[in-house]
This record gives sequence, structure tokens and C-alpha cells, in this order.
Amino acid sequence: DAKTTQPNSMESNEEEPVHLPCNHSTISGTDYIHWYRQLPSQGPEYVIHGLTSNVNNRMASLAIAEDRKSSTLILHRATLRDAAVYYCILNGNDMRFGAGTRLTVKP
Amino acid sequence: GAVVSQHPSRVICKSGTSVKIECRSLDFQATTMFWYRQFPKQSLMLMATSNEGSKATYEQGVEKDKFLINHASLTLSTLTVTSAHPEDSSFYICSAGQGGQPQHFGDGTRLSIL
Repeated sequence: DAKTTQPNSMESNEEEPVHLPCNHSTISGTDYIHWYRQLPSQGPEYVIHGLTSNVNNRMASLAIAEDRKSSTLILHRATLRDAAVYYCILNGNDMRFGAGTRLTVKP
Repeated sequence: GAVVSQHPSRVICKSGTSVKIECRSLDFQATTMFWYRQFPKQSLMLMATSNEGSKATYEQGVEKDKFLINHASLTLSTLTVTSAHPEDSSFYICSAGQGGQPQHFGDGTRLSIL
């Protein structure tokens, strides 16, 4: 069973920021929080990961709650190419996917 | 960056045929590889965890005699769907990684059994 819960879908307007939430209340101390995204008919693509501190890279930012029971993936300016299913995973010893969040970006 | 190559990308074959799918890590040694299947509009379902040099660990409900996994080297894992039937038609995806580092995914294999 997946250890994370995410909203089924979200919508955003192009060029606006998007905040994708993830709850992981049963996270253990050694679990990293990973985010991947998947475009249709492709394998998932790594987006970002973190343990305790907030993280930034060229694709996104990851904000991790102080108690680590939730996190938020932030796309600073959504583009049409960001439309995908976003998965939040606790990368401990297994890689089980939840249902993810389907992000729709409107022009 | 690290790349995982999955081959073939698409297979169409008759019922009863066995199909082998390869997953290669091209520029790193993958101590662990994961195999998934994905049905339309659904999430990835973990089938098995493949560790180099040892037997794969299968998820509950996945028949190990049906889905044979071999991880003979640190750069190659194979999934063989034996005596495939139409219900085995799906999108199969592998991933490879090192320890707790982010996984790198293949582009998937679309298997269609007629």
C-alpha cells in the first residue's frame, strides 16, 4: 500500500505557480520524499527529492513540513509541458506509487 | 545524467508467446531495479524488486513463475512474461537506482497480446 496521499487532480493556469500537496503521516526517519512525474505513454521522470530541509532545483521546489508528515511540490511558473501526473513517494526500501495528482495546465 | 534504457518499446505477439523485456542502466551500477505494470488511467503497480545476484522479491498477487526476473549484472535486469495471454497486455516499466537515491525510469514497454 502506498504511504502517501495526494489529491486526484488539480488545475492551474499557464504562467502561474502550482502547489501540489502530499501527506505522508507515517513517514519514518530514514524515508526520503521523492517526487516524480509521468507524461502519457512514458516512464516517470524524477523531479526532486529531500529529507528534512526545503530543496530547490531547476524544475521545482520542495517544501517539507517541520514534522515531515507532509510536503508540497512547487512549480513556480506552470507551462503546458508541466501537465502530467505527479507522484509523491517515500523512497525507503520500496518504491510503491500512489494514485498521484493529475495536473492540468490551462493556456 | 544517468539513463535507463528499456527494450523493446513495443511488442505485439500472439497468445502463448513468451516475451522478454530488458532494462539497462547505461552509466551507473544499479544495485536494485524495480519492475512495474501500468494499466490505462491507473498508477504504476509494483510487481517485483530485483536485486543483483539474488532472487527477485515479488509483490503479493504477482506470479513469479509467470513473470520471470533475472538480474545477473549490475547493469541489466530482464523481465520475461511467460506464455503471455491477452490479460497480460499492459505497459511495463522498469526503474534502476543505487540505495536510497532517486530512481531512473525506462521509457516503458507496451505489450499487446492478441
